[in-house]
Amino acid sequence: EPEVTQTPSHQVTQMGQEVILRCVPISNHLYFYWYRQILGQKVEFLVSFYNNEISEKSEIFDDQFSVERPDGSNFTLKIRSTKLEDSAMYFCASSENRYNEQFFGPGTRLTVL
Amino acid sequence: DQQVKQNSPSLSVQEGRISILNCDYTNSMFDYFLWYKKYPAEGPTFLISISSIKDKNEDGRFTVFLNKSAKHLSLHIVPSQPGDSAVYFCAASGNTGKLIFGQGTTLQVKP
Repeated sequence: EPEVTQTPSHQVTQMGQEVILRCVPISNHLYFYWYRQILGQKVEFLVSFYNNEISEKSEIFDDQFSVERPDGSNFTLKIRSTKLEDSAMYFCASSENRYNEQFFGPGTRLTVL
Repeated sequence: DQQVKQNSPSLSVQEGRISILNCDYTNSMFDYFLWYKKYPAEGPTFLISISSIKDKNEDGRFTVFLNKSAKHLSLHIVPSQPGDSAVYFCAASGNTGKLIFGQGTTLQVKP
């Protein structure tokens, strides 16, 4: 069964460093998303991406964040200068279209020291 | 952002009995609702969904009920099994596709 994959599973970084989180969505899906979950809190929407551009982004997704689909299979989330409060589980998701269920990857645990 | 609420942080049921998980929403623009199951250190796993044009959707042991006038949905699991023990999230979306999640309910099914 096709699945969304994410790498790395755990990333530890120093405050102020750049990190890139990688995702491989399900191959025939067209809509891609990033969500995050801070420990003990809700899963929160960050950004949606379709047709090589951002469809929607949340208030969390400020200028420090960017997304890219560099090669037609990978979907990346970059945080330019990490802050302590960026520590969270980051989940990638994909769907066939906007009105279908989203399938989530296993997540990347980001720890900012 | 309290647009989607799961007011019960936890629920414990006996194996074989029915589990009922509840979810309330405030935004009348939501038109698609989903339930996800999540184990620790894993991503949410899609369980079942319902469009706002329906009031019930069933898939095996899982049934989702939607009451639009009350802005309430529920997930019924019957019969409950120990492997169902996990955190259950309801989520809602409108025409943009982004999912708004509830806080989750931890279900424990006791053998």
